[in-house]
Amino acid sequence: QAVVTQEPSLTVSPGGTVTLTCGSSTGAVTSGHSAHWLQQKTGHAPKTLIYDTGNKHSWTPARFSGSLLGGKAALTLSGAQPEDEADYYCLLLYSGAWVFGGGTKLSVL
Amino acid sequence: EVQLVESGGGLVQPGGSLRLSCAASGFSFSTNWMTWVRQAPGKGLEWVANIKQDGREANFVDSVKGRFTISRDNAKSLMYLQMNSLRDEDTAVYYCVGATGMAYWGQGTLVTVSS
Repeated sequence: QAVVTQEPSLTVSPGGTVTLTCGSSTGAVTSGHSAHWLQQKTGHAPKTLIYDTGNKHSWTPARFSGSLLGGKAALTLSGAQPEDEADYYCLLLYSGAWVFGGGTKLSVL
Repeated sequence: EVQLVESGGGLVQPGGSLRLSCAASGFSFSTNWMTWVRQAPGKGLEWVANIKQDGREANFVDSVKGRFTISRDNAKSLMYLQMNSLRDEDTAVYYCVGATGMAYWGQGTLVTVSS
């Protein structure tokens, strides 16, 4: 099965902007991969923030956005808040089966 | 209020079996794909399996093919994961996930495979 790659860790300053990326071993990530982005805080179940590349759920803060960027899926956080410190996972679809990336630990410092 | 409640986890010896259940409420269970995701202790998320609305199509991660089966009962809004020939590496919290955009997650049930 495909391998999905994410940055292991990133740091952003409060109020700053950061982009997390999600790549595929099979080539460019496209809308067909239906990229999802999930946030998981320590000791809690994951929460899906973005689905189908750029769609937000009703609970997704406006400062999060999803897109395709340079052949990868991307999650951009604009105006980082301390409560955004968490693990972020991307999820890609491959012919009916899904594959998670290894996750990005985002620090807000 | 949407709820997904997993049950059936526990301690099992290698080679044993367990059946996980997921009880759904508060959304249209029968019109949505449903999914199982797991997370080994201290590790990342791993997609395990999913099942189509009518139960006639399912997909599995390679590591569980031939050992796990997935099913659903739309009349009762229940989904199941039958896990056979369990291995140490199946030890994880198993989450039930559903609805458009994987919107809803349960709190998970812990499966421990150990002798």
